[in-house]
Amino acid sequence: NAGVTQTPKFQVLKTGQSMTLQCAQDMNHEYMSWYRQDPGMGLRLIHYSVGAGITDQGEVPNGYNVSRSTTEDFPLRLLSAAPSQTSVYFCASSVGTGEGLNEQFFGPGTRLTVL
Amino acid sequence: GQQVMQIPQYQHVQEGEDFTTYCNSSTTLSNIQWYKQRPGGHPVFLIQLVKSGEVKKQKRLTFQFGEAKKNSSLHITATQTTDVGTYFCSTSGTYKYIFGTGTRLKVLA
Repeated sequence: NAGVTQTPKFQVLKTGQSMTLQCAQDMNHEYMSWYRQDPGMGLRLIHYSVGAGITDQGEVPNGYNVSRSTTEDFPLRLLSAAPSQTSVYFCASSVGTGEGLNEQFFGPGTRLTVL
Repeated sequence: GQQVMQIPQYQHVQEGEDFTTYCNSSTTLSNIQWYKQRPGGHPVFLIQLVKSGEVKKQKRLTFQFGEAKKNSSLHITATQTTDVGTYFCSTSGTYKYIFGTGTRLKVLA
């Protein structure tokens, strides 16, 4: 099993550009999520999904869109990049939904810089 | 919304010294998870606690969940250079995980 994979590993964007961060998992997990990690602020939830076709907002959703057309894939789209979106982005997946959430498996991360 | 506060933010220890990080909440937690993130890496799950007063051990690591389920701690005995990284606590509510801000551990050889 590859676990959770993310592409690209590094990305530099100019303000106003759009892009999609890719995330895939091969563990048949129903729950998937996106986080951003900034120095001193831990991991903040952007969006999550409890299954194909079902997504919802997390703590910091503004400027980001997600979709979940398959169990395996959960892409994150930046609509119009801003310097405030410079961060490290992690995708994660886990077994269970609702009250039965379990350990999360994280991808290697995407390091994004917006100029 | 639910929040978890983690202290200290940073900790430098000499190799061989013990280390403890604490996670606190103003509300009762249904569970607590601990993750370790090596520098430049991604968070890796260590353990989950769900019962009041629960204590679990993994070699030199001891995890505790408070009796009131409002706090938790991670204690490392006799730190090694391989323990370097940031330790996060996390809790899950309905459909969402919430992370503490982490404790960054540096071990001086």
